[in-house]
Amino acid sequence: DAGVIQSPRHEVTEMGQEVTLRCKPISGHDYLFWYRQTMMRGLELLIYFNNNVPIDDSGMPEDRFSAKMPNASFSTLKIQPSEPRDSAVYFCASSLATGNYGYTFGSGTRLTVV
Amino acid sequence: KNEVEQSPQNLTAQEGEFITINCSYSVGISALHWLQQHPGGGIVSLFMLSSGKKKHGRLIATINIQEKHSSLHITASHPRDSAVYICAAPNTGNQFYFGTGTSLTVIP
Repeated sequence: DAGVIQSPRHEVTEMGQEVTLRCKPISGHDYLFWYRQTMMRGLELLIYFNNNVPIDDSGMPEDRFSAKMPNASFSTLKIQPSEPRDSAVYFCASSLATGNYGYTFGSGTRLTVV
Repeated sequence: KNEVEQSPQNLTAQEGEFITINCSYSVGISALHWLQQHPGGGIVSLFMLSSGKKKHGRLIATINIQEKHSSLHITASHPRDSAVYICAAPNTGNQFYFGTGTSLTVIP
């Protein structure tokens, strides 16, 4: 298995533009997580899905952020409109189950909003 | 107060030294995770444990549920162990609490 695949690896965009981050989880994993990492706040859980259904989106910072999982092999995190304070590394992770199973992280997308 | 506290924040060691990183948590958890973030940014899940001890190569993780404390040990440390080590505790609601990370530098 190629692991959790995220794209793009790097994204530079202008303030106000729409940004879409993509994630392909490991086949067979029931859970998918989106995290954001910044120097100020460290790693934060934004949202997670179970069997393609969003379970907890309390970590999503604002309405400008939205996430979807249209099928078991694909998820997107969208920011519209983007702002400079959204600059961070966004990680996607998948897991076979929560709690007692390990997580596999993608390589992350480094987003810079100028 | 953070739900997950890690110490130390920064650690410099000579190659070959035994290293310990500590994590204390205040939330009820189903399991505790140790993550390793390489200088390039990638994150690897090292351990997930809910009791006792786990070992993988030179890495050992222990947890004391009663004391709400976990430790990550590295034996015979090597420069390639240089990374940020993060303790993460998901509560029963699957909300993750992360420690601030321990930045480890192993000098040859």
